[in-house]
Amino acid sequence: QSVLTQPPSASGTPGQRVTISCSGSSSNIRSNPVNWYQQLPGTAPRLLIYTNNQRPSGVPDRFSGSKSGTSASLAISGLQSEDEADYYCAAWDDSLNGPVFGGGTKLTVL
Amino acid sequence: EVQLVESGGGLVQPGGSLRLSCAASGFTFSAYWMYWVRQAPGKGLVWVSHIRSDGSSTNYADSVKGRFTISRDNAKNTLDLQMNSLRGEDTAMYYCARDLWGSGSTKFDYWGQGILVTVSS
Repeated sequence: QSVLTQPPSASGTPGQRVTISCSGSSSNIRSNPVNWYQQLPGTAPRLLIYTNNQRPSGVPDRFSGSKSGTSASLAISGLQSEDEADYYCAAWDDSLNGPVFGGGTKLTVL
Repeated sequence: EVQLVESGGGLVQPGGSLRLSCAASGFTFSAYWMYWVRQAPGKGLVWVSHIRSDGSSTNYADSVKGRFTISRDNAKNTLDLQMNSLRGEDTAMYYCARDLWGSGSTKFDYWGQGILVTVSS
């Protein structure tokens, strides 16, 4: 059971906008920045969004993040077939004194 | 070019030991906190352990506490994970990752390619 809660799956058609939620608590998401990772099949995770809503260089602006209270979300607009991947949220947990991850959301592009 | 390259994985019997290594290059290794994150087959990412940039502080997930030891050599740019008393549930891909900001941050901007550890008789 992951500390952060994500829906196990999400889907959309090309061009659509999809959102993935991430729910936590006062010891993690409320207190610390949230980051999002994309993991393509058979590869290592890649930083997609950091500090709630910042994109590293090279990440398309179709990807955006937000945070409110103990929840965060990742939005992908203009969905493309290459966006089909697993997405994970992460935040530091002050009680555990370490990072916690969501269980991951498998995004399918129909 | 930033590179993190894991090594040392493989098949080990329950109760056995393995030592994973992560060779870092292309950046100032001593400035970064370093992490081990694992992923069991078909499952999600799970934090295992981390070590402060100067090696003065470490922490472990409860599931590995007392069995795993993280260490680093800033002169050799290497990160290690000594894994003892291995169990079937330790079977996973193990990734090393870096974070410049340390405590409170999970901004892992570079990851290794991962190394597979299989615990089975």
